[in-house]
Amino acid sequence: EAEVAQSPRYKITEKSQAVAFWCDPISGHATLYWYRQILGQGPELLVQFQDESVVDDSQLPKDRFSAERLKGVDSTLKIQPAELGDSAMYLCASSLADRQQAKNIQYFGAGTRLSVL
Amino acid sequence: SQKIEQNSEALNIQEGKTATLTCNYTNYSPAYLQWYRQDPGRGPVFLLLIRENEKEKRKERLKVTFDTTLKQSLFHITASQPADSATYLCALRGGFKTIFGAGTRLFVKA
Repeated sequence: EAEVAQSPRYKITEKSQAVAFWCDPISGHATLYWYRQILGQGPELLVQFQDESVVDDSQLPKDRFSAERLKGVDSTLKIQPAELGDSAMYLCASSLADRQQAKNIQYFGAGTRLSVL
Repeated sequence: SQKIEQNSEALNIQEGKTATLTCNYTNYSPAYLQWYRQDPGRGPVFLLLIRENEKEKRKERLKVTFDTTLKQSLFHITASQPADSATYLCALRGGFKTIFGAGTRLFVKA
């Protein structure tokens, strides 16, 4: 069964360092999402791509976070510089399409657990 | 602002009983409501979807209801098993946005 691949699974870094996460969605999925999930809370959307275009990055802290999906397939999320409050699980998800009123069933990767020391 | 509320307290039940989880929302008119399961250290997995014009949906031991007047969904697991122990998230879909609740942790004791 096709899966969303994420790497690394775990990342420990010191504050002020740069970190990057990678995601490879399910083949054929046009929509890709990056979420941040703090322990005990639900996933919070950071950025959403439709193919290679950003359709929603309203919750992305753009002073330190960046995301790209250059060829409309895999994606990278970067944090520079990392802060203590960035410690969380970073989840990538993909779906077939994201047209209004579409079902939008999202398939999640296993996530990257980030610890900032 | 839009708000989703799920029981923050964990739900503990005995094996074989029916688990019922609640999802309430305010300031939102979702077209769809989804339920996901999340195991510790893993990403959420989609379980069921129900549309705004549907009252009830079933899949094997799972049942979801959706009351747009009360702004509430109930998620039932019948004949619960220890393997059902996980966190269950509800997610609301309206327009281009999906927003997730914080989830309810379910423990099923053998």
